[in-house]
Amino acid sequence: EAGVAQSPRYKIIEKRQSVAFWCNPISGHATLYWYQQILGQGPKLLIQFQNNGVVDDSQLPKDRFSAERLKGVDSTLKIQPAKLEDSAVYLCASTPRPGDGELFFGEGSRLTVL
Amino acid sequence: GEDVEQSLFLSVREGDSSVINCTYTDSSSTYLYWYKQEPGAGLQLLTYIFSNMDMKQDQRLTVLLNKKDKHLSLRIADTQTGDSAIYFCAEIPNSNSGYALNFGKGTSLLVTP
Repeated sequence: EAGVAQSPRYKIIEKRQSVAFWCNPISGHATLYWYQQILGQGPKLLIQFQNNGVVDDSQLPKDRFSAERLKGVDSTLKIQPAKLEDSAVYLCASTPRPGDGELFFGEGSRLTVL
Repeated sequence: GEDVEQSLFLSVREGDSSVINCTYTDSSSTYLYWYKQEPGAGLQLLTYIFSNMDMKQDQRLTVLLNKKDKHLSLRIADTQTGDSAIYFCAEIPNSNSGYALNFGKGTSLLVTP
């Protein structure tokens, strides 16, 4: 079974530029998450989708971050404009059962903002 | 919101036992989890414990839960160099309507030969 796919693995941009990350979850997983992991910290939830609907985006900085999952399968996370403090690894995870706590994570997309 | 607390770093010799501690926030969390993150990889579920249990053993792993103190620990017996990784404690607090996990900052375990 293929795992959660993310791209790009690495991205370096200057502040005020924009960037987009893509995630393809495990086939059949209705729930998809984007987490932000700043160096030395644990993952912090940005947004949770159930199929193509948003379940929780309370911690998403909506003035600069946006995410979509239009067809309920793959998802895109965009940052525009980027700030220095957005440097982090952006982790995508999916699960078929959000209540049991087993999330399947991708390898992440590491963003460096200069 | 409140943070899940963990010690940041632990170093042990190969063959010794490792104990990683965590203090979680929500006493009504039904399950508590330990995730492992190897360098350059995503997180992977290692083990979990149901809140009505005090202990769970799974091969070299032992999870202890003290609900009164909201304290969770992970013991790794006969620690190997391949166990070197970051270990995250996690809970699903009742405040998370979508059952999203709330992670601690992680404990970096270094196993030396």
